[in-house]
Amino acid sequence: DAGVIQSPRHEVTEMGQEVTLRCKPISGHNSLFWYRQTMMRGLELLIYFNNNVPIDDSGMPEDRFSAKMPNASFSTLKIQPSEPRDSAVYFCASSFSTAGPYGYTFGSGTRLTVV
Amino acid sequence: QQQVKQSPQSLIVQKGGISIINCAYENTAFDYFPWYQQFPGKGPALLIAIRPDVSEKKEGRFTISFNKSAKQFSLHIMDSQPGDSATYFCAASRTGYQKVTFGIGTKLQVIP
Repeated sequence: DAGVIQSPRHEVTEMGQEVTLRCKPISGHNSLFWYRQTMMRGLELLIYFNNNVPIDDSGMPEDRFSAKMPNASFSTLKIQPSEPRDSAVYFCASSFSTAGPYGYTFGSGTRLTVV
Repeated sequence: QQQVKQSPQSLIVQKGGISIINCAYENTAFDYFPWYQQFPGKGPALLIAIRPDVSEKKEGRFTISFNKSAKQFSLHIMDSQPGDSATYFCAASRTGYQKVTFGIGTKLQVIP
């Protein structure tokens, strides 16, 4: 199993540009989570999906952020327009929902720098 | 509001020493307490977890101690090694809920 695959690994963009982060969950997992990691706030849950349906997006910081999961094997997190304060490492994680909160598997993350 | 408080945020331990990281939670509905280990450039990975029906769980050099009445739990790393240098996150969740709430993280450095 290749694990959770995120792309790109690094992204540098200018303020105001659109940024799209991508995630491929582990095959068979039906829950997908987007987290943001910063030194000041640690790991923050932005949104999670169950069976491709958004369940809780209360962590999405503002309307500039949007996430989609068009099918069981792909999800995107989009920031438009991007701002310097969005600079962080963004992680995607997946799990099998009937296992409860157990067995979260994280990807290696996308380090986003907005200049 | 930080539901899981973790301390210290950084820790330096000599090789062979004991590393101790503490966490406290507020929500008494939490019933699953995992610890994650994160190496630079990688995502967090599950290290060890405990449920509140036991007071201690040990896996190799890693031990979780749990105090339900105080709503506190801690990770002890015995005989700490330089390879243990990483960021450690405590977390908490509820059975039936997918969300996991993480602590702020502790950056551990084990020096030779």
